[in-house]
Amino acid sequence: GQQLNQSPQSMFIQEGEDVSMNCTSSSIFNTWLWYKQDPGEGPVLLIALYKAGELTSNGRLTAQFGITRKDSFLNISASIPSDVGIYFCAGQLTGTASKLTFGTGTRLQVTL
Amino acid sequence: DAGITQSPRHKVTETGTPVTLRCHQTENHRYMYWYRQDPGHGLRLIHYSYGVKDTDKGEVSDGYSVSRSKTEDFLLTLESATSSQTSVYFCAISGREGTEAFFGQGTRLTVV
Repeated sequence: GQQLNQSPQSMFIQEGEDVSMNCTSSSIFNTWLWYKQDPGEGPVLLIALYKAGELTSNGRLTAQFGITRKDSFLNISASIPSDVGIYFCAGQLTGTASKLTFGTGTRLQVTL
Repeated sequence: DAGITQSPRHKVTETGTPVTLRCHQTENHRYMYWYRQDPGHGLRLIHYSYGVKDTDKGEVSDGYSVSRSKTEDFLLTLESATSSQTSVYFCAISGREGTEAFFGQGTRLTVV
């Protein structure tokens, strides 16, 4: 099955730094979702994007739905220790019962 | 938090035994999903449901069956567990086509 390419796979950053990660697909999606997963927990929805070109913020998080509908980007500004975790993108195509195709994940570690 | 409860949260079982995992939701959402999460593979769809008694296969459905006799409950059954089914299983729900999906806390299954 298809998996979305997510990069980087992992990153170490210092507290206060901005973070960028992206997700690319060989096919288009109608919806892009970004999730964060902490150890031992289920993925938690951060941001949902529904239109090509859309830019949406949630606190220090900003995500964009790429114009081609084949990619999406997530930025975290002024990172803090609780941002540590794995971030997943997921794409959804209309007419497929809202099934999600997931990215491979970006592991974020924040040092003080 | 979305009202999703998975049970059990942890289970150890022997090869060849049947196992049933339960997902219960209180959101009255139409769509329900079972995903498995494995290192190196991310989250992959096993089966999904688009209504009571309406289910379909995902990308990794071999060895699994599902049932949905009520809107709120979605059961995943491993008819004869194998070591390759050791994984973390997540249930997810979605209210409408093309909208957000919310995840449960997961069930860690170990087949010995």
